[in-house]
Amino acid sequence: NAGVTQTPKFRVLKTGQSMTLLCAQDMNHEYMYWYRQDPGMGLRLIHYSVGEGTTAKGEVPDGYNVSRLKKQNFLLGLESAAPSQTSVYFCASSYFQRGYIADTQYFGPGTRLTVL
Amino acid sequence: RKEVEQDPGPFNVPEGATVAFNCTYSNSASQSFFWYRQDCRKEPKLLMSVYSSGNEDGRFTAQLNRASQYISLLIRDSKLSDSATYLCVVYNNQAGTALIFGKGTTLSVSS
Repeated sequence: NAGVTQTPKFRVLKTGQSMTLLCAQDMNHEYMYWYRQDPGMGLRLIHYSVGEGTTAKGEVPDGYNVSRLKKQNFLLGLESAAPSQTSVYFCASSYFQRGYIADTQYFGPGTRLTVL
Repeated sequence: RKEVEQDPGPFNVPEGATVAFNCTYSNSASQSFFWYRQDCRKEPKLLMSVYSSGNEDGRFTAQLNRASQYISLLIRDSKLSDSATYLCVVYNNQAGTALIFGKGTTLSVSS
């Protein structure tokens, strides 16, 4: 049981390049999330998904796209990378969040992205 | 006002000390509350949920004061391994499915 895994762990891009970050979970979770974490800013939600084939915008979605073609995978794409997207990206998953209850979110180990 | 505010610290304490962190939240409709722990250059992990009646897990005690909109975490008999950043997290289903994370309080325990 690997939990939540992320690929790659590190990446350096030049401005304007594109890339896709892959998140995979083996816990059969319905909900998946992409966050970015910057010094002094805390964790901020980029996009999330409440099930296979669904995606929604979070707090800071601009410059990113996502897809959830399979329940276990959640992809984050940067079409044209900018230095402002230099950050640590975390993927997370949970069974559910509904009503007044939020289930535990399990995080992947993160991807450290630098855009030059 | 930020949705979830924490004193960033750092809190520097000796082993065996008792240390308390507070967190305030701005949305009175918030329903679920948590403390996550994040080690340096690692992912956040759930430390404990926070219930209205207060709850304890070993050396850790969490309390919620809905009237004053603050959450606390008390760590007794601090260990070197407690050194980490502690994230206060709030859930409000009116804000969609998002958990709102505080920026974290850093604890450093020394021998």
